[in-house]
Amino acid sequence: DIQMTQSPSSLSASVGDRVNITCRTSQSISNYLNWYQQKPGKAPNLLIYGVSSLQGGVPSRFSGSGSWTDFTLTISSLQVEDLATYYCQQTYNFPRTFGPGTKVEIK
Amino acid sequence: EVYLVESGGDLVHPGGSLRLSCAASGITFSDFGMNWVRQAPGKGLEWLSYISGRSTTIYYADSIKGRFTISRDNGKKSLYLQMNSLRDDDTAVYYCATNDDTGWNFFDPWGQGTLVIVSS
Repeated sequence: DIQMTQSPSSLSASVGDRVNITCRTSQSISNYLNWYQQKPGKAPNLLIYGVSSLQGGVPSRFSGSGSWTDFTLTISSLQVEDLATYYCQQTYNFPRTFGPGTKVEIK
Repeated sequence: EVYLVESGGDLVHPGGSLRLSCAASGITFSDFGMNWVRQAPGKGLEWLSYISGRSTTIYYADSIKGRFTISRDNGKKSLYLQMNSLRDDDTAVYYCATNDDTGWNFFDPWGQGTLVIVSS
């Protein structure tokens, strides 16, 4: 199984800050890396697929980058509504696996 | 717009069984693979199972293999998860999610989830 790690596990940042969340996989997954946002008490919501493709309706302050085993989700200017936990996911093979999540809090 | 609505969550004793349902609308259901994902209280996301549009391909996570069965009824636009031999650690919110079948296999959209509590 492909193991996923994320760092940091949590962060606190101010409105307007640039935020980076890193996801690392135990083997190369080509570009089969997706990012989800889960707000408190809600279902996860797709933000980015295929490393860097923004899902429709997602604000452009979200972006993704990376390759091979190292990937990054960037929020260019943090907003209050970005309070959430963010998960990376690999869909390169089965079993699908998720990272443990990064909880983003607003200072 | 695509909507997924899960149902069937309940309080069940260890060793018991439960059948979850996921009703879809707004899509040609048979064109899409589907997934079940769960989230234990305060924990992260765990993928459980995938079924292709025509039910020809099925995968399970090791944690549920032999105990849970995924199925679908395309005529009813519904996805199911039959859960047997339930354990305390199966307590979670269970989500269904549509599988992107264009190649990237991302999960979108997700249902709102249904809560399963396994406790004596």
